[in-house]
Amino acid sequence: DTGVSQDPRHKITKRGQNVTFRCDPISEHNRLYWYRQTLGQGPEFLTYFQNEAQLEKSRLLSDRFSAERPKGSFSTLEIQRTEQGDSAMYLCASSAQGTTEAFFGQGTRLTVV
Amino acid sequence: DAKTTQPTSMDCAEGRAANLPCNHSTISGNEYVYWYRQIHSQGPQYIIHGLKNNETNEMASLIITEDRKSSTLILPHATLRDTAVYYCIVRVERDDKIIFGKGTRLHILP
Repeated sequence: DTGVSQDPRHKITKRGQNVTFRCDPISEHNRLYWYRQTLGQGPEFLTYFQNEAQLEKSRLLSDRFSAERPKGSFSTLEIQRTEQGDSAMYLCASSAQGTTEAFFGQGTRLTVV
Repeated sequence: DAKTTQPTSMDCAEGRAANLPCNHSTISGNEYVYWYRQIHSQGPQYIIHGLKNNETNEMASLIITEDRKSSTLILPHATLRDTAVYYCIVRVERDDKIIFGKGTRLHILP
């Protein structure tokens, strides 16, 4: 299966630590999106890339959050100085430019204790 | 912000048609209606989308009213595997992002 892959699937970290998540999109998909989802809510848009360019960032993405996609392939999402409120599922999606369907990964569940 | 209104939850008996309503009274002329679903512990999955004509694929049918202010997603023969949260989304086709609301939690009852 060559779907969107996210790593790790689960992460438990202590408050104040930094964490980094990785997303591998479907090959040749030039658009990549990050979302955050808390219990009982729909996914909330965080940011998206077209190739290596970060084209939009939500105001939800505080300065403790940074996302990169250095070579236009995989992407990383880093959270610095984690807080309990950062506990959520972090979802990655990819799509090919000019198409309508975005494919989502299974997400990384972050728990900050 | 989400531009759609959906019921919080619905039940449907297994084998029956599940009809999920969505209101989008402020939809613009160039905006499409998309449906995604999210099964527990998985990422959202695309189902179907349409502009003004009714659409059908292997997963579902989409019925859009003539004034385009509401639509219905139809799962013709619901199975237990269709238990999920269903999101109705309005967006310009090929827009840069998908804005999700809270969706409808559909329970398929055996």
